[in-house]
This record gives sequence, C-alpha cells and structure tokens, in this order.
Amino acid sequence: GAGVSQSPRYKVAKRGQDVALRCDPISGHVSLFWYQQALGQGPEFLTYFQNEAQLDKSGLPSDRFFAERPEGSVSTLKIQRTQQEDSAVYLCASSLAAGGNTEAFFGQGTRLTVV
Amino acid sequence: AQRVTQPEKLLSVFKGAPVELKCNYSYSGSPELFWYVQYSRQRLQLLLRHISRESIKGFTADLNKGETSFHLKKPFAQEEDSAMYYCALRASGTYKYIFGTGTRLKVLA
Repeated sequence: GAGVSQSPRYKVAKRGQDVALRCDPISGHVSLFWYQQALGQGPEFLTYFQNEAQLDKSGLPSDRFFAERPEGSVSTLKIQRTQQEDSAVYLCASSLAAGGNTEAFFGQGTRLTVV
Repeated sequence: AQRVTQPEKLLSVFKGAPVELKCNYSYSGSPELFWYVQYSRQRLQLLLRHISRESIKGFTADLNKGETSFHLKKPFAQEEDSAMYYCALRASGTYKYIFGTGTRLKVLA
C-alpha cells in the first residue's frame, strides 16, 4: 500500500465528546504503535500491539483512552469524554516484525482539537 | 529514567555551511539511537540509526557513549534540508521510542 494511513486527518471535538481515530497500517506489519504529540513536543508513546494483542498500554494517560486492533490489522484509538488537554496530533506507526528490530513507518497523524 | 534532550528548538544556517544538531540522552544500558526527520507537510520518517553507521543525504551521526551524545552532522547544508529533526532512543530489547522535543533546521539561501 501507500504507507500507514490515518483518518480523519483533522478532528474538532467539543469538550466531553467521544472520538475515534483510525489507523490502517502497512499490510502484513505485525507491530502497531500509537503516539501522542502535543504542540512543541516530541511524540510520546501511548500503546503497542503485536498483531491483535495489546502488549503495552503503559503510555495511555487515563482510562478515558482505549485502543484496539481486533483482527491484527486496522487499529482504533478511542478517547471518551474529551478534555482540552487531549488536543494533540495522534500518530500511528507500524513495523514489519514483532518487537522493535525493524523500522517503524509513521502515518501522517490525526490532529485533534478539543474546544 | 530514559530521556532525550535536544537543546536547540531552532537552528538557522546558511546554505553551504556546516550543520550540527545536538542530541544528548540519559540511559544506563546500551541504547539504540535514531534520527527522524519531518519535512513540511510530510510524515515523520527515519533518517538514520546508529547501528547502521551509514550516511543518508550527507548526514552522519556518531554515538558517543562517554558523552552520551548522538549529534547529527552535515558538512554542507542544502535548502532542502530544512525540516524538523527528532532524536530518539530505544532501550535495547524494547520497542518504545523515546523522542526529544525536536530541532527545526532552517537553511537560508
């Protein structure tokens, strides 16, 4: 495919609204990552999937954040009851192998603005 | 704790001048270090990784464990090098990248 695809590219949500962000990884990639990038900061790790298994969710900032990858391909990051501090670019990345030994390819991100 | 520090938010140089983007890290084990680049309106992409010891687009970076640094260098900057550069660390045996805050490089004509 053309690379990691994320949708929507931009999302404006009212405070308290639920949002769902989608990531289509490169076909066949085993590993999938979500990162959060606040304005002026570097990306920060949120969660990691190996196929459909969520092996690490240590970076999720609160229980309002939930991610899934039910069939080991497309992943969705859901944020419930959005708050202004959730405003950021959410990046998805995938890599071919399990673990961290192969290059991670990033999507273009979803810019979430909570008003 | 693992940390990556990029002390410069913005670095401006003239075309043809040498460039050095600084990166320091803190990690007690053997890290893997990377430089990622983001050109305007494009996605984050890998520029180089220390274990491959290669030069990409004229850029090189040497891991200095004594100084815990991984500075990115290029002898002659080009206008197309203007971009956001992120240094990243990955602890050996893990998959998480720890990113710095980034340095915006502007190459002036």
